[in-house]
Amino acid sequence: GAVVSQHPSRVICKSGTSVKIECRSLDFQATTMFWYRQFPKQSLMLMATSNEGSKATYEQGVEKDKFLINHASLTLSTLTVTSAHPEDSSFYICSVFWTEAFFGQGTRLTVV
Amino acid sequence: SQQGEEDPQALSIQEGENATMNCSYKTSINNLQWYRQNSGRGLVHLILIRSNEREKHSGRLRVTLDTSKKSSSLLITASRAADTASYFCATAMATGGGNKLTFGTGTQLKVEL
Repeated sequence: GAVVSQHPSRVICKSGTSVKIECRSLDFQATTMFWYRQFPKQSLMLMATSNEGSKATYEQGVEKDKFLINHASLTLSTLTVTSAHPEDSSFYICSVFWTEAFFGQGTRLTVV
Repeated sequence: SQQGEEDPQALSIQEGENATMNCSYKTSINNLQWYRQNSGRGLVHLILIRSNEREKHSGRLRVTLDTSKKSSSLLITASRAADTASYFCATAMATGGGNKLTFGTGTQLKVEL
């Protein structure tokens, strides 16, 4: 099955800085990847759909200028949290869909 | 919100007992999936049931789907301490959703020795 690698697994950054999270599809060329956000003890909320070679599709209420998505190749999508604030602290997870959805290990972002 | 609801929110049982979690959703679906998440980790796919199926089994897992009630249940039989995790249902919309998943609110299961 498709293996999805997400990096880093944990990051702590200062308020106002930007953080880049990588999502790699190791076994499968993914034209589409999905980015989710999960607050503690809550469910996953879809943030955006990353489309290889074109603009990402953002869900309602998600600021596209704050959460920059780049899907430059069929195996890599990146999510950059720009000018991070403490309220951006969350667990971010990417996924690719092949025969089923495969998820990365997630990235715990803490903004201090 | 299109997010589904799951109940119970939390469930604590003894090892060897069965655990049942329920999921309700709002839209017409193509399929419904159940995932497991250990604390602070990614999700693991457990089982998928299509909209034209009513019941499915996989090892100690049994999933039912009632599209008329827009609900599903996940039964874990003979639970083990290692089953302790959060369990989420996720639905794929019947039309226009592509492969996007909408997740339920989750059930935190604790299996005690």
